[in-house]
Amino acid sequence: QVQLVESGGGVVQSGGSLRLSCAASGFSFSSFAMHWVRQAPGKGLEWVALISYDGTGEYSPDSVKGRFTISRDNSKNTLYLQMSSLRGEDTAVYYCVKETSMGHYFDSWGLGTLVTVSS
Amino acid sequence: EIVLTQSPGTLSLSPGERATLSCRASQSVSSNYLAWYQQKAGQAPRLLIFGASNRANGIPDRFSGSGSGTDFTFTISRLEPEDFAVYYCQQYRTFGQGTKVEIK
Repeated sequence: QVQLVESGGGVVQSGGSLRLSCAASGFSFSSFAMHWVRQAPGKGLEWVALISYDGTGEYSPDSVKGRFTISRDNSKNTLYLQMSSLRGEDTAVYYCVKETSMGHYFDSWGLGTLVTVSS
Repeated sequence: EIVLTQSPGTLSLSPGERATLSCRASQSVSSNYLAWYQQKAGQAPRLLIFGASNRANGIPDRFSGSGSGTDFTFTISRLEPEDFAVYYCQQYRTFGQGTKVEIK
């Protein structure tokens, strides 16, 4: 079955950097687009980044553009999120998410990893 | 950029009752690419409905979705105790703000 296991979260000072990882198993990782979605404490879901199945296309919203970089290593079945210039509003649980084969939807989610940005 | 507005913010119902949730888009959703997710406390979201009205694998038939264009509805025909959760609509990279279904 599909498994997505995030790691790398923790407490970081404002302005600092952190790299999240997501180990994928149970499916053909290199065939699917992948995303990061975050959820601030007590808040809703916010899409953070998308990478195409082969890593040639990357997209992110203005709220993180230029600060967050999504990447993947298909030989290691691993997704990454490099976060820099972190702010208090980046405090959230970060989920690694698999897109469906038809696109447009998210059919598998990891348990999430908590990132806390302290001032 | 599309904006999804869900209503109500909170729905207070009893087990066995019918829950009806709304999701309104700021512009027409192409090909009805609209999904619904359930999120229980402390858990990751789970895909319930895709393509506005198609149930995902293993989702009970008490969950249903309908609608097109800019107006979509998600219905739970008879609430089970495990259905009390937060529900989000989604159009690809955009999520609604969520509707909490709580026990009355």
